[in-house]
Amino acid sequence: GAGVSQSPSNKVTEKGKDVELRCDPISGHTALYWYRQSLGQGLEFLIYFQGNSAPDKSGLPSDRFSAERTGGSVSTLTIQRTQQEDSAVYLCASSSGQGAYGYTFGSGTRLTVV
Amino acid sequence: GESVGLHLPTLSVQEGDNSIINCAYSNSASDYFIWYKQESGKGPQFIIDIRSNMDKRQGQRVTVLLNKTVKHLSLQIAATQPGDSAVYFCAENQAGTALIFGKGTTLSVSS
Repeated sequence: GAGVSQSPSNKVTEKGKDVELRCDPISGHTALYWYRQSLGQGLEFLIYFQGNSAPDKSGLPSDRFSAERTGGSVSTLTIQRTQQEDSAVYLCASSSGQGAYGYTFGSGTRLTVV
Repeated sequence: GESVGLHLPTLSVQEGDNSIINCAYSNSASDYFIWYKQESGKGPQFIIDIRSNMDKRQGQRVTVLLNKTVKHLSLQIAATQPGDSAVYFCAENQAGTALIFGKGTTLSVSS
């Protein structure tokens, strides 16, 4: 597609439930990134996929968070047993190189845990 | 850990003024820097970038300055317009790693 697409745009879930957030990167982009943005804060790095290399998971805040990237394209971020502090906007970005170029971001998924 | 920060959380200017948004970074090994603009309800949008082998780069109405000696980055916006109102983030990167973002400066432009 023309841009990075994320779904759903909004998600409200009950504490303790699992959620899956989806990211469709720009076609041909080899790198894909997930960030989290809490209200009024900057972007917190979560995980980074580059081609067929092992992902950089160093930003995942706990083992409740995981992500996959299937076929080098679509990525799913899964949060298990959601907590209220998981409420944030989850942003996905893709780029055509190993950080050599500016990322293109999606509009994000606003997650609210009640 | 390493982080990128901004000097001021908010900046208010009049339409037509020049705006300067500042950022300090801490990782001397970073070799690539980017400024992003984020409007409400949207993802960050790329504005301009600069590599560590440069100290100045100009775009349309925007200029980025890099001072590696004091690890300082700035974004200058000429003739600021109401449409420039947004949150501005600087970000730093080393090759092969993900961008690290600062907390952001909210720019408010009044007519």
